[in-house]
Amino acid sequence: QKEVEQDPGPLSVPEGAIVSLNCTYSNSAFQYFMWYRQYSRKGPELLMYTYSSGNKEDGRFTAQVDKSSKYISLFIRDSQPSDSATYLCAMSAANAGKSTFGDGTTLTVKP
Amino acid sequence: EAGVAQSPRYKIIEKRQSVAFWCNPISGHATLYWYQQILGQGPKLLIQFQNNGVVDDSQLPKDRFSAERLKGVDSTLKIQPAKLEDSAVYLCASSFEGRKDTQYFGPGTRLTVL
Repeated sequence: QKEVEQDPGPLSVPEGAIVSLNCTYSNSAFQYFMWYRQYSRKGPELLMYTYSSGNKEDGRFTAQVDKSSKYISLFIRDSQPSDSATYLCAMSAANAGKSTFGDGTTLTVKP
Repeated sequence: EAGVAQSPRYKIIEKRQSVAFWCNPISGHATLYWYQQILGQGPKLLIQFQNNGVVDDSQLPKDRFSAERLKGVDSTLKIQPAKLEDSAVYLCASSFEGRKDTQYFGPGTRLTVL
């Protein structure tokens, strides 16, 4: 079993929809949680970075961490075609430690 | 601010051949990472440098892969000899003192082994 499991998708939604992307993990030592966006043939780009449990909001993006359930989510409000990409969750036990990535969820937002 | 630079962007080789990838991190970033991303999977850390010292190379197949970071700036990753299963995108990333909130990725080198 993988340390980090991510909903595989693919996910297709109409423009303006609310999108929910999710990951579960098994390692209780994970304290730092990241979401990356990866466009086709590009490197991942850090979207959200959170420490421990709770919510963090940045514009249309909200990251949620529930350490008791070992479950993290990324919500995208008012989704746009430019949000079409693969979203990767990643986690690490220490800020400077090794990150473990999920396998990504591919999202398509249709105009 | 210039991003992480990688070259070449694409490489096609035959199995058992050698190949090398180059990375130039963001200026001032002491930490440099090499990741392997196989199609349909997330990136897997191969090696992490802090300045020119190795912090973590536990997932680097040392019988065929090697990496160096001379002078604590640029880095090269080499595969010798390549196998079919090495076909992947090789991503270089850098960060300020290992902090994930300052980690930036390069565009990657797409390697195809025939």
